[in-house]
Amino acid sequence: AQSVTQLGSHVSVSEGALVLLRCNYSSSVPPYLFWYVQYPNQGLQLLLKYTSAATLVKGINGFEAEFKKSETSFHLTKPSAHMSDAAEYFCAVRVYGGATNKLIFGTGTLLAVQP
Amino acid sequence: NAGVTQTPKFQVLKTGQSMTLQCAQDMNHNSMYWYRQDPGMGLRLIYYSASEGTTDKGEVPNGYNVSRLNKREFSLRLESAAPSQTSVYFCASSGGSPGGNIQYFGAGTRLSVL
Repeated sequence: AQSVTQLGSHVSVSEGALVLLRCNYSSSVPPYLFWYVQYPNQGLQLLLKYTSAATLVKGINGFEAEFKKSETSFHLTKPSAHMSDAAEYFCAVRVYGGATNKLIFGTGTLLAVQP
Repeated sequence: NAGVTQTPKFQVLKTGQSMTLQCAQDMNHNSMYWYRQDPGMGLRLIYYSASEGTTDKGEVPNGYNVSRLNKREFSLRLESAAPSQTSVYFCASSGGSPGGNIQYFGAGTRLSVL
């Protein structure tokens, strides 16, 4: 079975500091991995996705993630946090097989950015 | 650019009442999904529809039914609401071919069952 684990349900950084949100996956097949962001009282929107091309994936708003097979990780980073980055972030893995793009989500990491 | 539209945005029910959550997408997507979001649990799949005319159970289907009315619309019904169904419900859709296509989400329905 496939799964993702997000370490740290709450992360707090200062404005301008590095953002690092951790995600580890479990999959018996090469995974497709995603990071979504949810701003308060809104739906989820895609930040970036990994689909077996380049291991370093760049997304919107300056975020990027690196796929590391040896560590089964897909951590999300941003060099310099902005107040507008405060949101909840979800890592997800596509379920292998079938005719849809079903996803399994992690439990989320709430990012707070302090001035 | 409407994308995925959910109605209503908020709803309060009494235990035992029924209601239907509506979802429509205008992106000509084949697949549609219903999730619930609870604190500390992420999003959990309730039901999904791979294409018009088909529906399948997800991780937490008990207490819910769905209808894929046509390619655009996918509704979620609570026949007899329970307090455990207090949650935020999200509808999503995704495009044709498998292999990494992303899901697009609606803004959610916030449901309280008293």
